[in-house]
Amino acid sequence: DAGVIQSPRHEVTEMGQEVTLRCKPISGHDYLFWYRQTMMRGLELLIYFNNNVPIDDSGMPEDRFSAKMPNASFSTLKIQPSEPRDSAVYFCASTTYQPGLAATDTQYFGPGTRLTVL
Amino acid sequence: TQLLEQSPQFLSIQEGENLTVYCNSSSVFSSLQWYRQEPGEGPVLLVTVVTGGEVKKLKRLTFQFGDARKDSSLHITAAQPGDTGLYLCAGISDAGKSTFGDGTTLTVKP
Repeated sequence: DAGVIQSPRHEVTEMGQEVTLRCKPISGHDYLFWYRQTMMRGLELLIYFNNNVPIDDSGMPEDRFSAKMPNASFSTLKIQPSEPRDSAVYFCASTTYQPGLAATDTQYFGPGTRLTVL
Repeated sequence: TQLLEQSPQFLSIQEGENLTVYCNSSSVFSSLQWYRQEPGEGPVLLVTVVTGGEVKKLKRLTFQFGDARKDSSLHITAAQPGDTGLYLCAGISDAGKSTFGDGTTLTVKP
């Protein structure tokens, strides 16, 4: 298995530009998570999907951020317009556990996309 | 909001020494996970603890879940340079939502 695939690995853009981050979860996983990691705030959950449906987007910082999962093998996180404070490493993770049960299944993280907004 | 505090934030030790990292919260979690993250990579799961008081051993690593399921510790015996990395704890709520601690950056010097 190739694991969770994210693209691009690095993105440098200018303030005001639109940024789209992409994620391919592990085949068969029905949960997909988007996280943001910064030195100041650590690893934060932005949004997660179950069977392509957004379940909890309470971590999405503001309306400039949007996420979609059009099918079981692809998700995007879009920032429009981007701002310097959005600079961070964005991780996508996938798993198969079911909330409400003992969550013993592993979240598999992708390698991340390092975003720099100038 | 469920918050997880990890301590220490940074730890630098010599090869062969022992260390303990702590993860504390005022909230009760369904389970708790420990991850290790290396530079340029995503976190990788080390262990999941589910039962209050549970102790799990993974070679030189010992993980403990507090009786009240609010805190956890990670103990490493005879640390090696390969143990260097960022250690993250994550509390899992009944709804399956993960809350991560701020992490402990461990450096093991040869």
